[in-house]
Amino acid sequence: QVQLVESGGGLVKPGGSLRLSCAASGFSFSDYYMRWIRQAPGKGLEWVSYISSGGITLYYADSVKGRFTISRDNAKNSLYLQMNSLRAEDTAVYYCATSTVTTGLDVWGQGTTVTVSS
Amino acid sequence: SYVLTQPPSVSVAPGQTARITCGGNNIGSKSVHWYQQKPGQAPVLVVYDDIDRPSGIPERFSGSNSGNTATLTISRVEAGDEADYYCQVWDSSSDQVFGGGTKLTVL
Repeated sequence: QVQLVESGGGLVKPGGSLRLSCAASGFSFSDYYMRWIRQAPGKGLEWVSYISSGGITLYYADSVKGRFTISRDNAKNSLYLQMNSLRAEDTAVYYCATSTVTTGLDVWGQGTTVTVSS
Repeated sequence: SYVLTQPPSVSVAPGQTARITCGGNNIGSKSVHWYQQKPGQAPVLVVYDDIDRPSGIPERFSGSNSGNTATLTISRVEAGDEADYYCQVWDSSSDQVFGGGTKLTVL
């Protein structure tokens, strides 16, 4: 079945780095653009980054621009988010998501938790 | 950047109709998507393109969009509908934009 599984979250000190992964299965990953979306504890959803199906077009939220890098490996059906210079305000559950059969985000992973704290 | 405004909370008795609004400048010109999120779970798309339902979503969930307000309507509300609901649009200046979310309480 169509599935996204995130991994790579954890506890990191301010200024540190972390790389999140999102493994896709059950659909033709290389045909679809992908997004990272995060949710801080007790807060709403915040879009983080976008990558086109071929990995050429990239967009970032202002809050992470210059610190985060989105990438993908279509041969491995995987999406990544390299997070550098992490701040306390980056603490959140990070979801990967995509649109497959609708124009909305109809497939989401279960999320991976990132905690930035000293 | 584009801003979507939702009421923080909506309460409704079982069997009644819940209406959750999403305000935005000329939002009627955009396609609005709605997500349901239960505690500890990932969001689930319940309405897309203003009025359409993904496969598996009950007909009790419907949407509308006109002028400066989009609305998610849940008919014959059940206890299992208690959740946070988010509206979302695409905006050229910031890709995906989400509303702040509305907590639906079933009394």
